[in-house]
Amino acid sequence: AQTVTQSQPEMSVQEAETVTLSCTYDTSESDYYLFWYKQPPSRQMILVIRQEAYKQQNATENRFSVNFQKAAKSFSLKISDSQLGDAAMYFCAYNPFAASKLTFGTGTRLQVTL
Amino acid sequence: SAVISQKPSRDICQRGTSLTIQCQVDSQVTMMFWYRQQPGQSLTLIATANQGSEATYESGFVIDKFPISRPNLTFSTLTVSNMSPEDSSIYLCSVEGFGDRETYEQYFGPGTRLTVT
Repeated sequence: AQTVTQSQPEMSVQEAETVTLSCTYDTSESDYYLFWYKQPPSRQMILVIRQEAYKQQNATENRFSVNFQKAAKSFSLKISDSQLGDAAMYFCAYNPFAASKLTFGTGTRLQVTL
Repeated sequence: SAVISQKPSRDICQRGTSLTIQCQVDSQVTMMFWYRQQPGQSLTLIATANQGSEATYESGFVIDKFPISRPNLTFSTLTVSNMSPEDSSIYLCSVEGFGDRETYEQYFGPGTRLTVT
């Protein structure tokens, strides 16, 4: 069974600074998708970024980028120029290719301070 | 993506009763799912709602406790039956696949916060 591990229960970053959230996963599959979701206090799950395992290039969405290391089964999220609105729970998630079965990590609570 | 709504947004129910949660999407989608998020925890997949057939349940979840319907490509319901305080959670629906595009991305509804007393 696939597992997703987020080893940082809480992180804090100052406004305008950069923070990296860690995620590792375990799978025997070669094709899969990885995602970062954000859940603010409103509880709405928001898709932040996605990475296809067959792509070597790291995904980027505005201030959000990932460092995908397939051999190490590592998928970290970097948030640049942090803003107060980035404060939320961040979940890493794994989806096997053509199986549509998301497995979530335990989450990292990000605080953004002035 | 699509606009996904859930009703009710929250409810407080007595033990032994049942609650049906609705999930409505503003466009046809291939896949619909139901998740549970217990207080302070991550999301756990309950089942995949299949259009026109029985839902596919994950280990630890059974149809008698969580009956699911999906009568068409835009609507699904989840019923939490014979509730106990342990069922107090946020229940979220998600969708994947719009029209003929398969993106393997899931988009979530706003969730239903259920408290069982």
